Amino acid sequence: DTAVSQTPKYLVTQMGNDKSIKCEQNLGHDTMYWYKQDSKKFLKIMFSYNNKELIINETVPNRFSPKSPDKAHLNLHINSLELGDSAVYFCASSQERVRDTQYFGPGTRLTVL
Amino acid sequence: AQSVTQLGSHVSVSEGALVLLRCNYSSSVPPYLFWYVQYPNQGLQLLLKYTTGATLVKGINGFEAEFKKSETSFHLTKPSAHMSDAAEYFCAVNTNAGKSTFGDGTTLTVKP
Repeated sequence: DTAVSQTPKYLVTQMGNDKSIKCEQNLGHDTMYWYKQDSKKFLKIMFSYNNKELIINETVPNRFSPKSPDKAHLNLHINSLELGDSAVYFCASSQERVRDTQYFGPGTRLTVL
Repeated sequence: AQSVTQLGSHVSVSEGALVLLRCNYSSSVPPYLFWYVQYPNQGLQLLLKYTTGATLVKGINGFEAEFKKSETSFHLTKPSAHMSDAAEYFCAVNTNAGKSTFGDGTTLTVKP
């Protein structure tokens, strides 16, 4: 009965490869997010979708492309991976964008070699 | 533009002592304020939040925070620290634009 799930939990890959991280929420929320947490634990929002529509797109390289096939899923595809992409990526969801609590997934630890 | 400043990237307290984690925000519109906790190798989970109404907010695990508009602060406190409180704590601010900004986090260490 996991609320927000992500796959895979760990991802180790070579520079230049393309990879995807999947996220699913079973909370019936309308809004989903992707965050990047670096090695110093700094957390930064990357994207936000509301009802499958992109509403927040921070200054993220266009190698990162989110895709929301439906309200319950928000996937993150990364092209041409670079060393600096190594981080923990968190998916989150909330019912409403402003007042509501965000529920976070367990994270995907991406290591680029 | 909104911002969040957490004073003290590392806070160490003894078990049973008062916990005080500081958070100051900057926002041009009324903010919605949150404290989240992150245990090792886990995602963030909500401790408490302020949206409207009572400025003293109580959360889980005995934590509370007070919204002080005049000081633009939302400090987190707990009267008596427990070993299980050791974790990373994040203050966050949301605005009506729907954007969340997180502070840089404070690592809380609890000594026996």
